[in-house]
Parts: sequence; C-alpha cells; structure tokens
Amino acid sequence: DGGITQSPKYLFRKEGQNVTLSCEQNLNHDAMYWYRQDPGQGLRLIYYSQIVNDFQKGDIAEGYSVSREKKESFPLTVTSAQKNPTAFYLCASSTFIGTNEKLFFGSGTQLSVL
Amino acid sequence: GENVEQHPSTLSVQEGDSAVIKCTYSDSASNYFPWYKQELGKRPQLIIDIRSNVGEKKDQRIAVTLNKTAKHFSLHITETQPEDSAVYFCAASLSYGQNFVFGPGTRLSVLP
Repeated sequence: DGGITQSPKYLFRKEGQNVTLSCEQNLNHDAMYWYRQDPGQGLRLIYYSQIVNDFQKGDIAEGYSVSREKKESFPLTVTSAQKNPTAFYLCASSTFIGTNEKLFFGSGTQLSVL
Repeated sequence: GENVEQHPSTLSVQEGDSAVIKCTYSDSASNYFPWYKQELGKRPQLIIDIRSNVGEKKDQRIAVTLNKTAKHFSLHITETQPEDSAVYFCAASLSYGQNFVFGPGTRLSVLP
C-alpha cells in the first residue's frame, strides 16, 4: 500500500485539544485533499491544495487548519473549535499531468473524542 | 457549486444478477466522473471513470454510462459476485485538479 501514507491509524482527542493528522505522498502529485467520512455518509471535502504554499477551503473547513510547506506533505489539524470531530479522515492526492486526475487515497485515520 | 446525488442508498442483489447505481450532477461544466469502491475498513479505490466526451466505458463486468444532456451517469455491474459487496461512491469534477464532489454512496450487498 505505498504511495500515500496517513498516520496515525487511530487517534484520540481530549476536549480542548488540537490534534494533527499526517499525510505524506511519494507520487509526485501536485494536488492533495482532506475528506471527512461519517458513518453511512459520503466524503465531504475539508481542504485541498493544488500547489505548495497554497490551499483552499472545502465544504466543511470550520474547525480545521492545514499547511502545505512541502509537495509531499499535507497535514491536517483538528482544532478545539471543531465540536464534533469524531469521524474517519481520508487524505488523497492527484496529479495535473496530462488528463490523469485520478484520486489516490490513504488508508485513513479514525479520530475519536475521549 | 456542484451537487451530486446518488441512488439507491442501499442495494441488495442475488449473486449473478446485475446491479445499477445512478448519480446526477448539477454543474454542466463538470467533465470527469469517477466511481470508487470502498470495502469495509479500507480506503476508496477507483474502479472506473468516464470523461464528458465519452458516452460509455466498459471494463470487464463493470460499465459506466454518461448522459450529459440529462446530467446523469450510472454504474453497471454484471454477474455480481460476493466480493462486489462494498460501498460505491460516484463523483464529479472539473478537469485538472479541481474539487471532486462525491455522492453519498451506495451500499451494495451481493447475496449468495
């Protein structure tokens, strides 16, 4: 399962705590994305980044922050402002080269609140 | 912005039968439509995709059709097998790294 790696696989957050989810890719992809998946629901976009040092809010960005200092890395911070953080978080990447826009997903991080 | 609807939310079929999942999208500018399969506890994986300049695409037992005028596209799985049981997501996007918008998913169960 190489290519795009998420860590940790499971994460627990205490109330008032910020936690950071890691996402690293070695696919040389330009674009990276963070999605949130709740049970029985689809994938909702939190943030995405098309190039280094630039990122855009998705549909549910409130309570989250990201950075894109390196092409390979796109960490997501779940802040204390996110009142309902329990969910499965998926990172993905894609390339702009040619017409290959296929999304490659990481294996996900399950975040739970203690 | 783009909105993608997907039906049905759950689908049960007998092994060997066909399954059809339908999606509609709202933004006529969308031109790339992938389908992802997510098995329980695993990452979504691309199974087939179609671009707006094509009406149909097949890959063995899986096919996708696109009707640009009506703004809907469908996934067809023939001769279903138990390993086809999963959640299937459709998505729509503009080209070149634009935001992918996903449908809510269809849980397919193939009964032996």
